Formats: sequence, C-alpha cells, structure tokens
Amino acid sequence: SQQGEEDPQALSIQEGENATMNCSYKTSINNLQWYRQNSGRGLVHLILIRSNEREKHSGRLRVTLDTSKKSSSLLITASRAADTASYFCATAPSGAGSYQLTFGKGTKLSVIP
Amino acid sequence: DAGVTQSPTHLIKTRGQQVTLRCSPKSGHDTVSWYQQALGQGPQFIFQYYEEEERQRGNFPDRFSGHQFPNYSSELNVNALLLGDSALYLCASSLSGAKLFFGSGTQLSVL
Repeated sequence: SQQGEEDPQALSIQEGENATMNCSYKTSINNLQWYRQNSGRGLVHLILIRSNEREKHSGRLRVTLDTSKKSSSLLITASRAADTASYFCATAPSGAGSYQLTFGKGTKLSVIP
Repeated sequence: DAGVTQSPTHLIKTRGQQVTLRCSPKSGHDTVSWYQQALGQGPQFIFQYYEEEERQRGNFPDRFSGHQFPNYSSELNVNALLLGDSALYLCASSLSGAKLFFGSGTQLSVL
C-alpha cells in the first residue's frame, strides 16, 4: 500500500522557476526521504530528513517536515531542464523491526527550457 | 566503484512461467531490498534480505521468493506468472542505514 501521497501529480514550469511538491503520510515515521527517477529507471536518493528535524538543505533542494501535520515539502530552486523527472517521497516507519520504505505515487516534474 | 547492477534489463515471459531476476549490491553493502513498480505508480516493497535471511516482507504472495548469497548478491524469483506481474522490478542496496541505492531495474513483461 502507498503511505505517502505526493501533490501535485504533475507539475510543469519554466526553466529558472522554483518547483514545490508536497507529500502527506499516515503513520509515525523515523525519517522521510525524497528520490528522483528519470524515465522509469532506477531511483536516485536526494535527501533524508529525520523526524526530529524541521528543515534541511542540499544544494538547490530544500525539504521541510511537519510531523504534526504528517506532511513534507520539497522545493527545487532555479530549476533546470535536467531536473525533469518524477519525484517520490518515501517514509521509514518508527519503531524497531521495520525496515521497509513506503513510497508515494510521485510528482512528475517537467521543466521547459 | 560499481553501483547496484541488475540483470537482465528486459524480460518477456508468458503466463504461468517462472522468472529469476538478479542483483549485485553496491560494493560494501550488506542489505538488499526488492521493489515492484507498476506503470505510473511508486515502488512497492517486496522484501529485504540481510545476512542471507529474509528480514522483512511486504504484502506480496508466496509466489514471490528470494535469496541472498554469501557475497550479498540476491535473486528474486516469481512463480506462476500473472499478467499483473508485469512491472519494473527494482533492487536497492544499503549498509545498515536508511539511504537506498537503486539499480536501473528489470522491466518484466508477462504476455
């Protein structure tokens, strides 16, 4: 079953604009991660934010986490055509003995040159 | 440093057949997870192998089985293939941590 739900399902922006995508989840988490997937192939890890963190930066990426609302957002600043891809949030549940990541359905981002 | 490698890249089978997919983890990684990704969906967790044992399993039938070898490589076996098993199968490796490194996947088509 899908835990995270990304919003919007699809996003089209001009190069240089910022892109924001959101993720909601249902259960308590240990951490939340964002991955990128190009053309239906392997996923690439972008950033991980732990449940006790509220904001994290990595290059042009900014991730926020609100555990009270069970939601996260990924901001890509100054987008480039190369950022065109599908973006997935994935949650790692809290508690011992659980190792699976649960992915959402993803946001398909198109950056127009 | 080789990343996660999967074979084959593409595979076509017919209903009722059996298939074996293979995965070599990133050098130094000891944990392998398998995911199924249907078209337009996010990856769904099948199972994870650690120290040659299935450590956790997702909501998949027993037709899906796996194995991990002493060199940490892994196989995913699917018996009695159904049309609905058509998907991209992704292998991911990790080292005692949360961050996953994915292979490029095996695209399985069941006719």
